Amino acid sequence: QVQLVQSGAEVKKPGASVKVSCRASGYTFTNYYIHWVRQAPGQGLEWMGIINPSSQKFQGRVTVTRDTSTSTVYMELTSLRSEDTAVYYCAREGDYDTSGYSFDYWGQGTLVTVSS
Amino acid sequence: SSELTQDPAVSVALGQTVRITCQGDSLRSFYASWYQQKPGQAPVLVIYGKNNRPSGIPDRFSGSSSGNTASLTITGAQAEDESDYYCNSRDNSGDHVFGTGTKVTVL
Repeated sequence: QVQLVQSGAEVKKPGASVKVSCRASGYTFTNYYIHWVRQAPGQGLEWMGIINPSSQKFQGRVTVTRDTSTSTVYMELTSLRSEDTAVYYCAREGDYDTSGYSFDYWGQGTLVTVSS
Repeated sequence: SSELTQDPAVSVALGQTVRITCQGDSLRSFYASWYQQKPGQAPVLVIYGKNNRPSGIPDRFSGSSSGNTASLTITGAQAEDESDYYCNSRDNSGDHVFGTGTKVTVL
């Protein structure tokens, strides 16, 4: 079965960086795009960007890399600020037939806390 | 960037019907997808495309769209449907945007 398993919670100081991993299993990793979504405490969902086999689209302080040998995507956020405190999710963009290119599988989420 | 607007909260009596709306310019060109999120859990896709349900989603969930507005309808709401619901669509630049979210309370 398809699974996206993310790394554990992190506590970081302002100005530091954090790297969150998302390991995929149960499907052909290179055939699907991965998105990142975050959710600040008590707030709504915020789309951060997308990585596909040939390109990526993220803004600002985010860098995303893929390791096809381990079917893992890494999202690094630099120069952390208190407002970056959130749960970070990876999500797979599914097939047109079964999901209309929607986010059909999600990781369990990783809480990143930025505090001095 | 695009925006999708939802009512913050709606309530529905057990077994009755509730409609959640999502408004935004991107919906004139792209279908919305809808996600259910319970506290402390990751979102779950419930509706995509014109009106499609992923495997395992009850048929009391349905979707529709007209102009710049997409709707999610729960017909015969159950206690377990009490959740936050978010719409999502892509826009012409290839970005995705989520709606502001609607908290559904089942009375």
